Amino acid sequence: EIVMTQSPATLSVSPGERATLSCRASQSVSDNLAWYQQKPGQAPRLLIFGASTRATGIPARFSGSGSGTEFTLTISSLQSEDFAVYYCQQYNSGADFGPGTKVDIK
Amino acid sequence: QVQLVESGGGVVQPGGSLRLSCAASGFTFSTFGMHWVRQAPGKGLEWVAFIRYNGHAEYANSMRGRFTISRDDSKNTLYLQMNGLRGEDTAVYYCAKDLSGASYYDYWGQGTLVTVSS
Repeated sequence: EIVMTQSPATLSVSPGERATLSCRASQSVSDNLAWYQQKPGQAPRLLIFGASTRATGIPARFSGSGSGTEFTLTISSLQSEDFAVYYCQQYNSGADFGPGTKVDIK
Repeated sequence: QVQLVESGGGVVQPGGSLRLSCAASGFTFSTFGMHWVRQAPGKGLEWVAFIRYNGHAEYANSMRGRFTISRDDSKNTLYLQMNGLRGEDTAVYYCAKDLSGASYYDYWGQGTLVTVSS
């Protein structure tokens, strides 16, 4: 099992500001890293796979970077619909999720 | 469009069994790997099990031996047979489709709630 950690646990951001979320793996996962967004009462939605490739229909304000053990999800200018919980997931060996970062309104 | 619809959740006593189903449509079901992922109330996501297009199955350690994933390609349906249920198995169970054979998920169902309680 690969342990995924995310920081911060909660990120308070004003609309229009930039948000930077971090994800760390306990061992290298290469670029086999995905990011999901989840809103209350909804299933997760795939945002990023391959550490930096946006999924179909995902706005360009979402970007991913990193490789190995350190990864970042950046939302360049937060919109009202972006306030949600974000999970990273490694799929290099099995599948392990991070505990999530909640992005809420400042 | 791709749709995944789970069913079969409910309340079950500790030690009991339940079978979840996931009806798939909008894609060639037989050619994709399918997964179950669960989420305990107020908690994060946890991968449960995976079945490849060829029937090969893998399980998370805590579910191995108690849960069985299967698929019926003639019915475009994924299943999860859960035996020996425990309180900690209480969760919303999602089925999810993988993309390109890798274990990340481009489509998810709406989830079905399993509650293990006496």
